[in-house]
Amino acid sequence: GQNIDQPTEMTATEGAIVQINCTYQTSGFNGLFWYQQHAGEAPTFLSYNVLDGLEEKGRFSSFLSRSKGYSYLLLKELQMKDSASYLCAAPGGGNKLTFGTGTQLKVEL
Amino acid sequence: DTEVTQTPKHLVMGMTNKKSLKCEQHMGHRAMYWYKQKAKKPPELMFVYSYEKLSINESVPSRFSPECPNSSLLNLHLHALQPEDSALYLCASSQAGNSNQPQHFGDGTRLSIL
Repeated sequence: GQNIDQPTEMTATEGAIVQINCTYQTSGFNGLFWYQQHAGEAPTFLSYNVLDGLEEKGRFSSFLSRSKGYSYLLLKELQMKDSASYLCAAPGGGNKLTFGTGTQLKVEL
Repeated sequence: DTEVTQTPKHLVMGMTNKKSLKCEQHMGHRAMYWYKQKAKKPPELMFVYSYEKLSINESVPSRFSPECPNSSLLNLHLHALQPEDSALYLCASSQAGNSNQPQHFGDGTRLSIL
C-alpha cells in the first residue's frame, strides 16, 4: 500500500520562500508527483521526480531522496496567487495515483 | 480553462433521481479516471479506465456506474445516491501504461444530494 504524509497547513509571507515536505512509504517506487489545487479548481501538475536530487522549474523546485522516503516542494518569491493546496502523490500499478493529505498554503502580506 | 471538460459544473439531485456526469478529452490519452473529493481532503480514486476497459474499481458502491463509450469520453451514471455522496467529482486523463505521465484534471462537477 501507499502511505503519504504532509503538513496540513502552512502560512508564509509574500516574497518569502516556503518548503512543503512530504514523506512516503510505498510498495514499490515509481516516482513522486506534486500538484497544485486552488479552491474550487482542478489540480494542476507541477513536477515529477523519480531520481534523487533537485528539479527546478522557475519559482518552483522539487526535491527527492529515495533512501529517506522524502520529498519537498520549494516555492520562491511567494505571491498571493500561490495560496492553494499542494498535493504530493505517488503512482502505483495500473496508472493508479495515491494522493497525500495535502498542504493548505496561505500567503499573507 | 483545462483540457479535460466536465459537465455539468454543478448538480443538485434527490436520492431517487438518476443523473450522469460527463467528461471529455481530446489529448489522445487512453487512460481516464474518476475521483471523489470532499472539502479540504485530497482526491480519492474511484475508477480507472485503460484503453476503454475498466481496470481499477476501488470498491465503489454500485450506485455509481462508470462507462467509457470511446477513447475521448467518460461517463459516471448516478442512481439512488446518499447525502454522504455530496462531493466534487473530478475526471482526469493521462497516457496509459506509463506511471511517470501526469494526469490532467477537469474542473469537476460539484454534486449535492438532497
